[in-house]
Amino acid sequence: QQQVKQSPQSLIVQKGGISIINCAYENTAFDYFPWYQQFPGKGPALLIAIRPDVSEKKEGRFTISFNKSAKQFSLHIMDSQPGDSATYFCAAREEGSARQLTFGSGTQLTVLP
Amino acid sequence: DAGITQSPRHKVTETGTPVTLRCHQTENHRYMYWYRQDPGHGLRLIHYSYGVKDTDKGEVSDGYSVSRSKTEDFLLTLESATSSQTSVYFCAISMGTGRNQPQHFGDGTRLSIL
Repeated sequence: QQQVKQSPQSLIVQKGGISIINCAYENTAFDYFPWYQQFPGKGPALLIAIRPDVSEKKEGRFTISFNKSAKQFSLHIMDSQPGDSATYFCAAREEGSARQLTFGSGTQLTVLP
Repeated sequence: DAGITQSPRHKVTETGTPVTLRCHQTENHRYMYWYRQDPGHGLRLIHYSYGVKDTDKGEVSDGYSVSRSKTEDFLLTLESATSSQTSVYFCAISMGTGRNQPQHFGDGTRLSIL
């Protein structure tokens, strides 16, 4: 049972373009939604996170958009750079759950120079 | 750097042998987690710990056991490894006690079971 569905599986973007990765969830008890970035041979690293009481959060070139009624959230990478090429995971955590995370299946982003 | 060290980083072993993976943290955090990462599945929780000798099962716990006798060490054991347990294993820790405290991950152990 996949509680967090992520798409697309892979994404190719030109340098300077916008990368968009989408996630959808079913469990309305989720109350924390982080995005992780992972480079080959390394562990996932926290990129940005949002709570459902806000609709958007921006940190530099990275923005999370959150639609509580649709149970969807997305990561937007503005002015994408070759150094952004990595695998991105969305995740969600249920309130009071000892901080366990449920992950999406991942998106492999390639930014062409 | 979240102060997480996983060992070994790579291991090749044979079906039926016992395997123990170690996660060591230097930050004295309460929560520790073991995940496995497989293509198309993201990261899936195997077991987690919320204190010394306090552990619980995750989504994919069958075939795995854990122990935490000290705050800084969380061990994952495969009692009799199977080929389906070939994967990359990640340890994570949760910092602080606030509601939004993130999980930080080690760099993983790549385990191959032949």
